[in-house]
Amino acid sequence: AQTVTQSQPEMSVQEAETVTLSCTYDTSESDYYLFWYKQPPSRQMILVIRQEAYKQQNATENRFSVNFQKAAKSFSLKISDSQLGDAAMYFCAYRRAGDMRFGAGTRLTVKP
Amino acid sequence: DTEVTQTPKHLVMGMTNKKSLKCEQHMGHRAMYWYKQKAKKPPELMFVYSYEKLSINESVPSRFSPECPNSSLLNLHLHALQPEDSALYLCASRRDFSGDSYNEQFFGPGTRLTVL
Repeated sequence: AQTVTQSQPEMSVQEAETVTLSCTYDTSESDYYLFWYKQPPSRQMILVIRQEAYKQQNATENRFSVNFQKAAKSFSLKISDSQLGDAAMYFCAYRRAGDMRFGAGTRLTVKP
Repeated sequence: DTEVTQTPKHLVMGMTNKKSLKCEQHMGHRAMYWYKQKAKKPPELMFVYSYEKLSINESVPSRFSPECPNSSLLNLHLHALQPEDSALYLCASRRDFSGDSYNEQFFGPGTRLTVL
């Protein structure tokens, strides 16, 4: 079974600074997909960034980028120039075929 | 339209009640999901429908009964629930099961269920 581990229950960052959220996963598959989702308090879960395992190049989406280390099964999210609106619960997720498995989440606080 | 809608937003029910949660999408997606999310926890997969057929049932108790009457609609029928079933119930949809990572999973806002 695939497992996703987020070892940081909570993280804090100063506005305009950079923060990195960690994620590791366990799988015996070679073809899969990894995602970071953001869930603001009492709001909808939305996709932040995605990475295909067969791609060596790290994905980037504006201020969000990932460091994907396939051999180490590591998939960290870097948020640059943090904004107050980035405060949320962040979930790392693994998907192969039909279903998606989530990590326990990291609660990010952004300090003004 | 990239929206998944869920009704009701909030639901309070007694242990002997029968109620239903509704999820709807009009993106032409053929994979639809039910997740259960407890406070400060990640979503846990309950059921997956693919082309209106139940594809995955994660050993969910029979007091939860899913139904997919058509390609746009997903229901979750609730009966004889327990207080520990209180949670946020999330619906999600995806184009299909294909492996394309741009086959993105869209989530609804959830129904917050309280069982008394």
